Amino acid sequence: EDQVTQSPEALRLQEGESSSLNCSYTVSGLRGLFWYRQDPGKGPEFLFTLYSAGEEKEKERLKATLTKKESFLHITAPKPEDSATYLCAVSGSGTYKYIFGTGTRLKVLA
Amino acid sequence: NAGVTQTPKFQVLKTGQSMTLQCAQDMNHNSMYWYRQDPGMGLRLIYYSASEGTTDKGEVPNGYNVSRLNKREFSLRLESAAPSQTSVYFCASSEPDTQYFGPGTRLTVL
Repeated sequence: EDQVTQSPEALRLQEGESSSLNCSYTVSGLRGLFWYRQDPGKGPEFLFTLYSAGEEKEKERLKATLTKKESFLHITAPKPEDSATYLCAVSGSGTYKYIFGTGTRLKVLA
Repeated sequence: NAGVTQTPKFQVLKTGQSMTLQCAQDMNHNSMYWYRQDPGMGLRLIYYSASEGTTDKGEVPNGYNVSRLNKREFSLRLESAAPSQTSVYFCASSEPDTQYFGPGTRLTVL
């Protein structure tokens, strides 16, 4: 059964304190791994797609990496505006269905 | 360019009542999705439509029906609402590997 587990559930950082969020997955043939950001009361917003182990994507203070069993979302020198819930999802080969993790709630303190 | 729109934003139903959640996208995407989001459960796929005229069950389809009216519109119907269907419902449309989410409908069933 396809499954996504995210850790930690919640994370509090001081502004400028870098850290990483983890997404572990099991899927029968990974077609893609996806990261989304969700602000309170809003729908998720797309960040990255990763397709194969070793791939990396960057956007501003965020960098996503992928191995055969997990993905990391690295946040470098975060700012309060980076506070949000970060969601990870996977899609298996031959399908366009997506399985989401429960997310990591990130709070960055000024 | 409105993206993905959902109506209504909020709804309160009594047990046994029926309602339809509406979703429309103006990005000419083939694929559309309905998810529900509950605390601690993450986003769970209810139904999806890979293209106009096709629909498939997701992870939690029981108690719901869908209609892909045309390429733009994908509706979700609750025939006889139950308290367990209290949730936030998100519609999404997708170009390959990027999902765009609507703002959500917050539904309470009493």
